[in-house]
Amino acid sequence: DTAVSQTPKYLVTQMGNDKSIKCEQNLGHDTMYWYKQDSKKFLKIMFSYNNKELIINETVPNRFSPKSPDKAHLNLHINSLELGDSAVYFCASSQGTSQETQYFGPGTRLLVL
Amino acid sequence: QKEVEQNSGPLSVPEGAIASLNCTYSDRGSQSFFWYRQYSGKSPELIMFIYSNGDKEDGRFTAQLNKASQYVSLLIRDSQPSDSATYLCGKDSSASKIIFGSGTRLSIRP
Repeated sequence: DTAVSQTPKYLVTQMGNDKSIKCEQNLGHDTMYWYKQDSKKFLKIMFSYNNKELIINETVPNRFSPKSPDKAHLNLHINSLELGDSAVYFCASSQGTSQETQYFGPGTRLLVL
Repeated sequence: QKEVEQNSGPLSVPEGAIASLNCTYSDRGSQSFFWYRQYSGKSPELIMFIYSNGDKEDGRFTAQLNKASQYVSLLIRDSQPSDSATYLCGKDSSASKIIFGSGTRLSIRP
């Protein structure tokens, strides 16, 4: 059974479009995250939710809007896509919020043309 | 100075030898440290975490932490070709964040 799943796996779109990525975890975890990994493999936290509440909001353009309808789901909506948004976006989850192991989803490869 | 620094590599090690991956960090208040392995095109997976000074061993892997020197390392004994991957060092930060380094690419040559 997949622990952390993301859809879609690949996303190719034009500049200026709006797109969403979905994430679901079946681990019963309370905390979920979005990370961005650029072409140089640098993995950077974007957002984190604990029990549907936003707890981490890094310096990310406000074109990115996360939403957590329940603690098993965390979605990411991106408005007005730009070339620099091209990256792999990983969802992750952990049981709690301190010193916890995080489990990553398979990633969504976004290419903005 | 980056919060977590790693040599990007590639680090090339012969099969059967010990691979040594190093990481330094800037915040003395950091408590927990993580090593994740990431195969090309795949997601990161946890190899080890450590929060006490000294060594922690798990099979062929040993994590070493020296908080005074702000240094954490990962040793892989009896390196196998399947160990070829990028290894990400991470440390905890406020409010459940993990801050990652840019990763070290390890290549095990047969």
